[in-house]
Amino acid sequence: KNQVEQSPQSLIILEGKNCTLQCNYTVSPFSNLRWYKQDTGRGPVSLTIMTFSENTKSNGRYTATLDADTKQSSLHITASQLSDSASYICVVTPSGGYNKLIFGAGTRLAVHP
Amino acid sequence: DSGVTQTPKHLITATGQRVTLRCSPRSGDLSVYWYQQSLDQGLQFLIQYYNGEERAKGNILERFSAQQFPDLHSELNLSSLELGDSALYFCASSVGGGRDYNEQFFGPGTRLTVL
Repeated sequence: KNQVEQSPQSLIILEGKNCTLQCNYTVSPFSNLRWYKQDTGRGPVSLTIMTFSENTKSNGRYTATLDADTKQSSLHITASQLSDSASYICVVTPSGGYNKLIFGAGTRLAVHP
Repeated sequence: DSGVTQTPKHLITATGQRVTLRCSPRSGDLSVYWYQQSLDQGLQFLIQYYNGEERAKGNILERFSAQQFPDLHSELNLSSLELGDSALYFCASSVGGGRDYNEQFFGPGTRLTVL
């Protein structure tokens, strides 16, 4: 079983709409949780990093939330743009993991005009 | 542009062959990480080097090896290649190597195709 599971697997929304992506993890104890954006064929780019004690972190139109009790995180995208079309990856670092990140499979988002 | 460079961008080779992927970290970063991303799969951590020394190992096959040189660039060597080794290989770098919170910056990747 994957230690980091994301849903939905893929999503299509219209430009200007909001959406929320989900991440459930079983990694414990964990140090931090990150959300990355990966354009097709390119390297991931960090959006947010939250430690286990943080509940929310924003980066422009991206807002990540974390509930360490239920081991769930979400990434909310506001007023989507065509350039938001990408894969969004949830990543968890185990405590003492020397940066051995554990990646989810990602949610593929397509924003249509 | 993350500041991490990888060469080559594309590599096509045959089964049984050996290839070397190269990565130059961001200026000032001491850690280099290697990841493999197979088609429609999540990234898998392979190995980390910090200031020339191996720091952590993930799901790296025995046919694969890596090293980090004194100028901090790193090479990932893949030998006895199999069809299943076809994937995107990413390098990332960070300033430190022991703190969990270090931001990792990813390179553009090398796409390896094994025929």
